[in-house]
Amino acid sequence: SQKIEQNSEALNIQEGKTATLTCNYTNYSPAYLQWYRQDPGRGPVFLLLIRENEKEKRKERLKVTFDTTLKQSLFHITASQPADSATYLCALLNFGNEKLTFGTGTRLTIIP
Amino acid sequence: EPEVTQTPSHQVTQMGQEVILRCVPISNHLYFYWYRQILGQKVEFLVSFYNNEISEKSEIFDDQFSVERPDGSNFTLKIRSTKLEDSAMYFCASSAGFAGGLRDEQFFGPGTRLTVL
Repeated sequence: SQKIEQNSEALNIQEGKTATLTCNYTNYSPAYLQWYRQDPGRGPVFLLLIRENEKEKRKERLKVTFDTTLKQSLFHITASQPADSATYLCALLNFGNEKLTFGTGTRLTIIP
Repeated sequence: EPEVTQTPSHQVTQMGQEVILRCVPISNHLYFYWYRQILGQKVEFLVSFYNNEISEKSEIFDDQFSVERPDGSNFTLKIRSTKLEDSAMYFCASSAGFAGGLRDEQFFGPGTRLTVL
């Protein structure tokens, strides 16, 4: 069966350190994978998209890697700040269909 | 920066009533979507819409649900006869479509919280 798993429900990181979140999938052939941030009671906010033929993408303090052999994406926030505290969602779009399928999310807390 | 907007932010309704949730996608976008998120659960795809017709729908999107683009700017989700289990956040999203032959990223609205009593 198809699954998208994010490494942990909750992750606590000391301010200034790098936070690394993991997204693993099985039985998908993703065209691309996206990372979103979601704050309580709000909609997902798009952060980064990485395509199946790309290995790495960066945007300011954010970095995403995509390994289609391992079927895994890693999402890094460097120099983390308390304002980075939120739930982070990975979502992938399979080749041949329209729907974005989400993982359950990782709730990240940056401790001052 | 352009954004997806949704109204109302919160809708309370009695079981069996019809509700219409409204969305204004980003103006030059071509693909429109509805998702829902039951409290504490993951975001789930409901339906995608392109060129004035449904292009894909999930098993959740049964005969009680319908979507419409009544004019050039609005995109609506109607639930004909609401059930208790329809209580959730409903998110509208839009995307520009293809970039270099590949689907573009989806941008989400702030959501409508639907409470069915």
